[in-house]
Amino acid sequence: LAKTTQPISMDSYEGQEVNITCSHNNIATNDYITWYQQFPSQGPRFIIQGYKTKVTNEVASLFIPADRKSSTLSLPRVSLSDTAVYYCLVGGDTGRRALTFGSGTRLQVQP
Amino acid sequence: EPEVTQTPSHQVTQMGQEVILRCVPISNHLYFYWYRQILGQKVEFLVSFYNNEISEKSEIFDDQFSVERPDGSNFTLKIRSTKLEDSAMYFCASRPGNEKLFFGSGTQLSVL
Repeated sequence: LAKTTQPISMDSYEGQEVNITCSHNNIATNDYITWYQQFPSQGPRFIIQGYKTKVTNEVASLFIPADRKSSTLSLPRVSLSDTAVYYCLVGGDTGRRALTFGSGTRLQVQP
Repeated sequence: EPEVTQTPSHQVTQMGQEVILRCVPISNHLYFYWYRQILGQKVEFLVSFYNNEISEKSEIFDDQFSVERPDGSNFTLKIRSTKLEDSAMYFCASRPGNEKLFFGSGTQLSVL
């Protein structure tokens, strides 16, 4: 399984754009890159998924370079409610395979 | 949006007792998972389940753990003889295919 590496923590202020980068050097050809958000005492919640280039939805953008060895989650104009742990996962070409969480990035948004 | 449902939300048990954690995955999903999270730590994979059998399991998922899908809707995790270190939040998740995982809100297990 591809291992992921993320910063342990990040700090930001309300209204700023936050970019969280994840390294996944041994990503497999069929692997997708998926980001989840987790609030305390809640289950992880899907944010965005991509395979290559750029993906955007209503809450975030995901940038994936051509070599796919890293990815960057971009949160535009964060608010206090975006304070959470963000996990980058790699895998999932078939549902049989486990999706393994790394240590995640703890984002703290200040007023 | 459809939800994964877990019961109970909290479970307190004595060391050595058996516990069963219950989950109702989203109805048209094919793949089912159990994860756990010890307080302050990362989410850890336990087991994946597909077509009525275990697909993959982690080192944590030893002989004390078992999973079942006794009917068309429920997916259970049993811990036969609980230990103090089994205290954690247990999350059930499901997915239709190679798409996103849907997580339940978890069962907080406390072993005394």
